[in-house]
Amino acid sequence: SQQGEEDPQALSIQEGENATMNCSYKTSINNLQWYRQNSGRGLVHLILIRSNEREKHSGRLRVTLDTSKKSSSLLITASRAADTASYFCATDAGSQGNLIFGKGTKLSVKP
Amino acid sequence: DAGITQSPRHKVTETGTPVTLRCHQTENHRYMYWYRQDPGHGLRLIHYSYGVKDTDKGEVSDGYSVSRSKTEDFLLTLESATSSQTSVYFCAISDSGTGANVLTFGAGSRLTVL
Repeated sequence: SQQGEEDPQALSIQEGENATMNCSYKTSINNLQWYRQNSGRGLVHLILIRSNEREKHSGRLRVTLDTSKKSSSLLITASRAADTASYFCATDAGSQGNLIFGKGTKLSVKP
Repeated sequence: DAGITQSPRHKVTETGTPVTLRCHQTENHRYMYWYRQDPGHGLRLIHYSYGVKDTDKGEVSDGYSVSRSKTEDFLLTLESATSSQTSVYFCAISDSGTGANVLTFGAGSRLTVL
């Protein structure tokens, strides 16, 4: 069963614009993570935000977490063509082995 | 994908044949996972291991078995492959050293069952 659900499913923007992706989940979590997957490759960890954190930054990435709404957002500022990829949120509810992934948002950044 | 390799990367097989996918890590991480990725479903956990000979089922374990006889190797076996097992399979590792389960993924194994 999916825990996280990303929105939108697909997003197309121009280079230089900001990209925002959202993730909603159903149960209490210990932390929420975002991963990127380039076409034909494995997933790569981007950022982790713990349940007691509200916002976190890493380079051009900004993640927010609202535990009352059970939602998170990933903002990529000043997008580049190289940011073209699928982005997945994953929730860690603490059960051993149970990092549950959403279905992903496919981001296309046009030069 | 440094430190984790999957083999084979591509395989075509026929329904009813056994298939084994191998995941090898050089990071000495305790935890290893097998996921499958299908359009419209995202990634779903098949099985995972929390130590040598210690494994447990994930969300979609039916039709799959795993073994871990050494820290570095985690094998996924399809005893009798079916067309519904056509998928891309990803292995992942974690040491949970920070108290958070951050995964490092392999490059994937694309399996086609005819």
